[in-house]
Amino acid sequence: ETGVTQTPRHLVMGMTNKKSLKCEQHLGHNAMYWYKQSAKKPLELMFVYNFKEQTENNSVPSRFSPECPNSSHLFLHLHTLQPEDSALYLCASSQENPGADGYTFGSGTRLTVV
Amino acid sequence: GQNIDQPTEMTATEGAIVQINCTYQTSGFNGLFWYQQHAGEAPTFLSYNVLDGLEEKGRFSSFLSRSKGYSYLLLKELQMKDSASYLCAVRAAGNKLTFGGGTRVLVKP
Repeated sequence: ETGVTQTPRHLVMGMTNKKSLKCEQHLGHNAMYWYKQSAKKPLELMFVYNFKEQTENNSVPSRFSPECPNSSHLFLHLHTLQPEDSALYLCASSQENPGADGYTFGSGTRLTVV
Repeated sequence: GQNIDQPTEMTATEGAIVQINCTYQTSGFNGLFWYQQHAGEAPTFLSYNVLDGLEEKGRFSSFLSRSKGYSYLLLKELQMKDSASYLCAVRAAGNKLTFGGGTRVLVKP
C-alpha cells in the first residue's frame, strides 16, 4: 500500500455511462491531484485541490468533474466519455508545500471507454 | 510554458551503471523530483533536488544544475528489478508537478 488508495483498479465503461473514480489518503496531506497517464505521453496534470479548494483546472473537458469533500478524499466523476479518454488515472497527495517528502501516488484506475 | 525532456528508452546490463539525463525549461523552479514506475504500478519517489549538486541515496544518485536546466539520475550496480520507467518531474509555481515523458530502462542479464 502506498498510503494513497484508488478504487476501482480497473473500469470499463460505455460512452453513455456515468461512473466515478475514488481516491483516499490517510497521510495527513492537504493537497490532492488527479493525473492522466496515456500510452507514450507524459503524465498530465488535470486538477489540483488545496485544503478542499480547487486551485488548478488544466483545461480539462467538462465530461470530467472532480469533487473534494474533505482533505482525505477526492473523486473524479465521469460522463459521456470518448474512447480517447481511455488511460490510467492517477491520484496523488502532498503537503501544501511539498519538498523532499514529494508527492505520493496511488496505483491508479485503468479506464477503458468502449 | 514547461518543457521537460528525457530519453525514451535505455538498455543496460545487470551490475552496470546507467545515467538518465533530464533537461527542463520551466517558468519558475521549486525542485526537481525523480520517480520510478513499474508497469501497472504507482510511481514511487526516488529523489529530490532543489539546490545544485549531487544527492546520494544508496545505489541511486541524482544531480542538479539549475543554471543549465539539467539533472541526471544515476543507477549503480543495476539489478533486474530496476527495469522500470524513470520519471523526471519539476515543481514550478505553487505545488504543480510537471512530468517528462519518462525513460524506460531495460536491464539485461
